[in-house]
Amino acid sequence: EAQVTQNPRYLITVTGKKLTVTCSQNMNHEYMSWYRQDPGLGLRQIYYSMNVEVTDKGDVPEGYKVSRKEKRNFPLILESPSPNQTSLYFCATHPLGPGEAFFGQGTRLTVV
Amino acid sequence: GENVEQHPSTLSVQEGDSAVIKCTYSDSASNYFPWYKQELGKGPQLIIDIRSNVGEKKDQRIAVTLNKTAKHFSLHITETQPEDSAVYFCAAVPGNQFYFGTGTSLTVIP
Repeated sequence: EAQVTQNPRYLITVTGKKLTVTCSQNMNHEYMSWYRQDPGLGLRQIYYSMNVEVTDKGDVPEGYKVSRKEKRNFPLILESPSPNQTSLYFCATHPLGPGEAFFGQGTRLTVV
Repeated sequence: GENVEQHPSTLSVQEGDSAVIKCTYSDSASNYFPWYKQELGKGPQLIIDIRSNVGEKKDQRIAVTLNKTAKHFSLHITETQPEDSAVYFCAAVPGNQFYFGTGTSLTVIP
């Protein structure tokens, strides 16, 4: 079964405390990306990766880092979270070229 | 980069009626246009897509139309049912990057 697994699903943290949200896919897709979803703003891309060791900024990369050491994993790192990063985060994956993107279940992050 | 606009932001219809959601895009390089449905507490899931060499595609009660000249595409849901209630997102894809609209919250009233 095609799966994109994010952890944790819910997270409440304090300003400045480093955190990592993990994402793993079992479809052997080259392309992986992170989005944040905010009311009225839709899905905005944070970072994406077209292959191992290849990452690039999306539309809203400030305050985030990513790494792609293995094809199946694409963690999102917040080195010093701030309240404006409170949001719903989705990891997604798809093969290179036009085709269906598969999304994880989402991580609801609250930074207080 | 690509800019996708989606309308309306909210839509309420009576069960059995049709619903139409419209999107426009700006980048003529976009060649793939998927539609996603997001139910509460879940990630978006693909419901239908269309490529730039096709003008219309239908899958049971769902259809998508594409007008490349005008740079707009639409989602049509006929005979709506309460389980169609969700948030719907359009996207335009030039190359590999997805650009999403801001979403339409559809409510089907029984």
